[in-house]
Amino acid sequence: KAGVTQTPRYLIKTRGQQVTLSCSPISGHRSVSWYQQTPGQGLQFLFEYFSETQRNKGNFPGRFSGRQFSNSRSEMNVSTLELGDSALYLCASSPTGSGGELFFGEGSRLTVL
Amino acid sequence: GEDVEQSLFLSVREGDSSVINCTYTDSSSTYLYWYKQEPGAGLQLLTYIFSNMDMKQDQRLTVLLNKKDKHLSLRIADTQTGDSAIYFCAEPLSGGYNKLIFGAGTRLAVHP
Repeated sequence: KAGVTQTPRYLIKTRGQQVTLSCSPISGHRSVSWYQQTPGQGLQFLFEYFSETQRNKGNFPGRFSGRQFSNSRSEMNVSTLELGDSALYLCASSPTGSGGELFFGEGSRLTVL
Repeated sequence: GEDVEQSLFLSVREGDSSVINCTYTDSSSTYLYWYKQEPGAGLQLLTYIFSNMDMKQDQRLTVLLNKKDKHLSLRIADTQTGDSAIYFCAEPLSGGYNKLIFGAGTRLAVHP
């Protein structure tokens, strides 16, 4: 089975721009979560989707948004980028609806200049 | 609120045992997890323990759970250089579906 695929792997943006990151979960997994990883704040939960519905949202401003499609693929969008948004964005899929058994992709590394 | 704490660094000699410790706050967690992150990679689920267990062994890995003290540990026997990575302890947020609270991660350095 193919793992979780995230694209793009690396990207550079400037302040004020917006970015869209994509995640393809493991086949059959309906839960997709997004996490932000930074050296200062560590791993922070962004949101989780299950069957196209957002079930959980972390403490991030409204500039961070996401969605899930009927094939379980997910995208997250960050608008009006700030320098502090530079991070590794990790997507994870799960075969279960709850519990925390997550399978992570390799991440999209975003640099904001 | 929920919090997971870990020590940040551990250095061991190759062949020795490594013990990574973690404390958590939510006593209602049904599972507790250990994830591993190698340089430049995402996180990999290493092992987990169900909350009604005290110990779980999986090859070189031993997980110990002390529910009274809300303390979790991961022991790696015969540590190898390939075990050098960051190890994260994680607990699910109560009622939070697949939302995990991660510790800051323990960087394990294995030297010859």
